[in-house]
Amino acid sequence: KQEVTQIPAALSVPEGENLVLNCSFTDSAIYNLQWFRQDPGKGLTSLLLIQSSQREQTSGRLNASLDKSSGRSTLYIAASQPGDSATYLCAGWTVGNEKLTFGTGTRLTIIP
Amino acid sequence: EAGVAQSPRYKIIEKRQSVAFWCNPISGHATLYWYQQILGQGPKLLIQFQNNGVVDDSQLPKDRFSAERLKGVDSTLKIQPAKLEDSAVYLCASSLQGLGTGELFFGEGSRLTVL
Repeated sequence: KQEVTQIPAALSVPEGENLVLNCSFTDSAIYNLQWFRQDPGKGLTSLLLIQSSQREQTSGRLNASLDKSSGRSTLYIAASQPGDSATYLCAGWTVGNEKLTFGTGTRLTIIP
Repeated sequence: EAGVAQSPRYKIIEKRQSVAFWCNPISGHATLYWYQQILGQGPKLLIQFQNNGVVDDSQLPKDRFSAERLKGVDSTLKIQPAKLEDSAVYLCASSLQGLGTGELFFGEGSRLTVL
């Protein structure tokens, strides 16, 4: 059974800092991976999708990468802003398992 | 482009009562998902549809939960009778492409409180 760990569970950093969020899958046979953002009381907003032929994706200040050999993904946020405060979740599709499995998320707080 | 629509946003019921949630996916999206998210946890898949057919409902508690997707578009999720542990946010998502491909788009969710 695929399990996804996100480290750290919570993170507080001063505004302007660069930061990295981590995501790790017990089964490394990931072929599609998606990062989401969730604001309190809201649904999930898609940030980045890394498809099977890709290793990374970039959107503005966000960069996500996937190392398929280890089943690990990182989300890099550059020049953090208070508006980045939210919970960030990763989710991946596993070969042979037609389900998108989610991590428990990292709660990020950017301190002005 | 309109996003995934869900209603109601909030529902409070007593245990053993019933409740229904509605989802309208993004137009043209073939695949629809229902997830349950308990506070502090990641979403857990309940059921997924490809057009109007069920692809996976292995994690749906079928003794109390049911879901259908009418004409391959709108979907409803019903809980009857509700238990305290059903208190959660029920998220609907859709994707344009088939399972395992394409990007998932989520609605705002329906928050259920069972007293």
